[in-house]
Amino acid sequence: EIVMAQSPATLSVSPGERATLSCRASQNVNNNLAWYQQKPGQAPRLLIYGASIRATGIPARFSGSGSGTEFTLTISSLQSEDFAVYYCQQYNNWPPEDTFGQGTKLEIK
Amino acid sequence: QVQLVQSGGELKKPGASVKVSCKASGYTFTTYDLSWVRQAPGQGLDWVGYISTNNGKTYSAQNLQGRVTMTTDTSTSTAYMELRGLRSGDTAVYYCARAPPPTEAAGLDYWGQGTLVIVSS
Repeated sequence: EIVMAQSPATLSVSPGERATLSCRASQNVNNNLAWYQQKPGQAPRLLIYGASIRATGIPARFSGSGSGTEFTLTISSLQSEDFAVYYCQQYNNWPPEDTFGQGTKLEIK
Repeated sequence: QVQLVQSGGELKKPGASVKVSCKASGYTFTTYDLSWVRQAPGQGLDWVGYISTNNGKTYSAQNLQGRVTMTTDTSTSTAYMELRGLRSGDTAVYYCARAPPPTEAAGLDYWGQGTLVIVSS
């Protein structure tokens, strides 16, 4: 099983500042990596797939980078609605055996 | 618009079974597959399994194999996830999510609202 490790567990950032979230895979997942945002009481929302492709309707302040085992989600200028929990997910294998990271909570500083 | 609407919450006793439904609308059901993901209270996301809506082939997480069954009814554009031999550790919100076909590797772009399954005696 591919293990996904996210860091930090909690990130405190002020509105308007940049946030950088990390995700590391225990083995090569190529660019088969997605990022999701989840707010309390809501289903996750797809932000990024293919490591760097923004999903439909996602603002340009969200960007993803990386390949192989190291990935980054950057939010360039935090808005109030961006404070949430963020998960990475790998979907590299077939037959599928997707795995998620444990999440990074982005909180207001 | 694309929607996945799930069945309501369930309270089950240990050892029982639960069957959660996920009705899709706003797109052609068989052009996308479906994944199931669960989230225990206060915890992260865990992948449960995947079903091809085209041929019904299923894949499930190793720790759930033998207890989970995923099916679809293409006539009603509805997917089902049944979990048997419920234990307290199965208490979670269960989500269905639309998955691209294998040739278009991408994320889960639409999600159901979630179904809370509580296992308690």
